[in-house]
Amino acid sequence: GAVVSQHPSRVICKSGTSVKIECRSLDFQATTMFWYRQFPKQSLMLMATSNEGSKATYEQGVEKDKFLINHASLTLSTLTVTSAHPEDSSFYICSAIQTFGNEQFFGPGTRLTVL
Amino acid sequence: SQQGEEDPQALSIQEGENATMNCSYKTSINNLQWYRQNSGRGLVHLILIRSNEREKHSGRLRVTLDTSKKSSSLLITASRAADTASYFCATDAGGNQFYFGTGTSLTVIP
Repeated sequence: GAVVSQHPSRVICKSGTSVKIECRSLDFQATTMFWYRQFPKQSLMLMATSNEGSKATYEQGVEKDKFLINHASLTLSTLTVTSAHPEDSSFYICSAIQTFGNEQFFGPGTRLTVL
Repeated sequence: SQQGEEDPQALSIQEGENATMNCSYKTSINNLQWYRQNSGRGLVHLILIRSNEREKHSGRLRVTLDTSKKSSSLLITASRAADTASYFCATDAGGNQFYFGTGTSLTVIP
């Protein structure tokens, strides 16, 4: 099946810094990617829909200025957590849909820890 | 919130027993999918059932869907210790955005 990678897999940063997480579709083109976050022992919450070449669509309650999404190519979407705070510590997972298809493929996740 | 709910939240069974977990959702759906997640790891896709299907099998997995009740169930037969994980349902209303259930944490005791 199609593979989605995320980088980095783990990141630890100081409060107030910004962190960029990359999501790549390795062997297919993805017009649409999604970003989720998951707190410990909780479910995945959809944060935003990332569309190549256009602005991301954010779910209610997600701050677009806090979580910047850029989908500049058909194989790469980035999520930047700006001015990170300890409460932003979470597991961030992306997924991607093939341009011609509707199956969703998930990345392995990025664990962010903000000190 | 569009998040669905799953029950039980936690389930502990002996190896060889069957495990059943249920998912309820709130809106009309195009399809429903089940995923497993080992602790702190990514998601593994288990099975997809479309809104016009009532039951689907895959190996030791059996999924049912009742759109009138907006609910689905996942049955794992003859459970193994390796089945220990969290299980999530995810609904797709047609826009490809997935809304995940709250999850069931399954522990299979050898």
